[in-house]
Amino acid sequence: DVVMTQSPLSLPVTLGQPASISCRSSLSLVHSDGNTYLSWFQQRPGQSPRRLIYKVSNRDSGVPDRFSGSGSGTDFTLKISRVEAEDVGIYYCMQATHWPLTFGGGTRVEIK
Amino acid sequence: EVQLLESGGGLVQRGGSLRLSCAASGFTLSGYDMIWVRQAPGKGLEWVSGFSHSGSRPNYADSVKGRFTISRDDPKNTLYLQMSNLRAEDTAVYYCATRPTGPIDFWGQGTLVTVSS
Repeated sequence: DVVMTQSPLSLPVTLGQPASISCRSSLSLVHSDGNTYLSWFQQRPGQSPRRLIYKVSNRDSGVPDRFSGSGSGTDFTLKISRVEAEDVGIYYCMQATHWPLTFGGGTRVEIK
Repeated sequence: EVQLLESGGGLVQRGGSLRLSCAASGFTLSGYDMIWVRQAPGKGLEWVSGFSHSGSRPNYADSVKGRFTISRDDPKNTLYLQMSNLRAEDTAVYYCATRPTGPIDFWGQGTLVTVSS
């Protein structure tokens, strides 16, 4: 199984400051079709997960442009350019290239 | 409006069975790869099972293999997860969702399964 390792576990951030979350996979996430199926999800307290980014760097509809994804192969990053109060929650990376699909352990973003 | 609505969760004794349903509206399930994801209380997200729209063999997490079965009823536009021989560690909120490979990403609101010992 592909192991997804996120860091840090917890990320205290000052409002208006940038934040960055790392996600590393134990195997390349490049699919045989040439796509890299790495997504980022946000989960606010008491809510279902909401996808922010798909295929490494594509923002979902309605997602603020302060969120961006980058990376390739086995190393990926989610960046928030200026953290706002509504960004508090847990962020997960997920790979959908290889079965079984796997999630990272999550990164809790909180306001300092 | 696009919606996935899970149902069928509840309290069940260890060793018992439950069938979860995920009714889709606003889109056709058979056109998408579908997955089940769960989240135990206070824990992270765990993929449970996946079903390709092309009908290829379904996939399961090792933790549920041999106990859970994913299926789809096209006329009812509904995805199912049949769960048997339930264990305490299966206690979780179960979500159905589209496999997140493209611009379409739908999630249900989740249904809680509690396995009592």
